[in-house]
Amino acid sequence: EIVMTQSPATLSVSPGERGTLSCRASQSVSSNLAWYQQKPGQAPRLLIYGASTRATGIPARFSGSGSGTEFTLTISSLQSEDFAVYYCQQYNNWPRRFTFGPGTKVDIK
Amino acid sequence: EVQLVESGGGLVQPGGSLRLSCAASGFIFNTYSMNWVRQAPGKGLEWVSYISSSSTTIYYADSVKGRFIISRDNAKNSLYLQMNSLRAEDTALYYCARDLTFGGVIAHYFDYWGQGTLVTVSS
Repeated sequence: EIVMTQSPATLSVSPGERGTLSCRASQSVSSNLAWYQQKPGQAPRLLIYGASTRATGIPARFSGSGSGTEFTLTISSLQSEDFAVYYCQQYNNWPRRFTFGPGTKVDIK
Repeated sequence: EVQLVESGGGLVQPGGSLRLSCAASGFIFNTYSMNWVRQAPGKGLEWVSYISSSSTTIYYADSVKGRFIISRDNAKNSLYLQMNSLRAEDTALYYCARDLTFGGVIAHYFDYWGQGTLVTVSS
């Protein structure tokens, strides 16, 4: 079973600053990785898939990188609406399992 | 506009059963795979189950395998989750989510989500 970890658990950032979130897989997931944003009381929103492709309507300040076991989500200049919890998610070839990381909370410094 | 609306949640005793539904609109339902994802109160996300567009391929998380059954009715644009032998640890908000897999291109990411239906397992 592939285990996903995320760091840090909480990231305190000032508006306008850059935020860097990490996600690590216990074994290679190739580029089969996505990032989601979830605000309180809302469903998650897909931000990035295939490790680096922005989903429809996602602002360019969100970017994803990495492959294999190490992945990064970068928010180039944090806006007030970006303070939320961010989850990474992978899928592997066999057995097919779709696993989320525990999340990183981005809050206002 | 894509819409996913879950229903069927509620309070159930341990060992009981519940059937969740998800009504889909705004897209051609029978061309997309679908998923159930859950979130325990104050916790993270956990994928539960996947079903392909024609129901030929189904996957389950180990935590629900043998107890939950996913199904769909393409004529009714609906997705279902039959939950049996429920446990306290199944208490969660259950989301249905569309799979990005389309046209034979595998991409098990969740691009649209409903607002969820709450299942509480308690005596």
